[in-house]
Amino acid sequence: GESVGLHLPTLSVQEGDNSIINCAYSNSASDYFIWYKQESGKGPQFIIDIRSNMDKRQGQRVTVLLNKTVKHLSLQIAATQPGDSAVYFCAENYGSGNTGKLIFGQGTTLQVKP
Amino acid sequence: NAGVMQNPRHLVRRRGQEARLRCSPMKGHSHVYWYRQLPEEGLKFMVYLQKENIIDESGMPKERFSAEFPKEGPSILRIQQVVRGDSAAYFCASSPLGYGEAFFGQGTRLTVV
Repeated sequence: GESVGLHLPTLSVQEGDNSIINCAYSNSASDYFIWYKQESGKGPQFIIDIRSNMDKRQGQRVTVLLNKTVKHLSLQIAATQPGDSAVYFCAENYGSGNTGKLIFGQGTTLQVKP
Repeated sequence: NAGVMQNPRHLVRRRGQEARLRCSPMKGHSHVYWYRQLPEEGLKFMVYLQKENIIDESGMPKERFSAEFPKEGPSILRIQQVVRGDSAAYFCASSPLGYGEAFFGQGTRLTVV
């Protein structure tokens, strides 16, 4: 079936280093992708999004890369800080029929070591 | 502009009771989505509603679960005759359009004892 999945369940990085979180998706018809950050006991928080007509999009300290050929998405966090410690989810939006329904991956836990 | 408001934050129910979860979307948002999250897992889509209409309920269990979004008032996710397997965090999200970024609430953590 169609799914969005993350390659690694846990990523541990040193404070100040760059982090890369990966995601694979299987629905070639998906045209919109979102990265969310979820801290313990809280709801998902929007980080950055990208549409399928783009390969790269940059935000503040974050960059999302989209490779449609291999159906791969990544989130890069520059100069990782302790406050970045959380679970990160990628989600895809089919968009067909204007439903806005999101399919989430399993999540990657980012641990930042001081 | 307040964010998506969910209440209660924590809800404890005995097996067989009913659980009612409420979600007030952000001001100006007429699209509401409900998701369920089991421990150590990602969020699973349940249902998508617009005012007074269910648009997509493909993720809702066929029995005991229902959702509504009336013309006035919050969206309600209702679980009848709860069982222990219903214990999870239930998140509501809203968007101004039925496409693109959705803003999430803090969730309701349901525990069935």
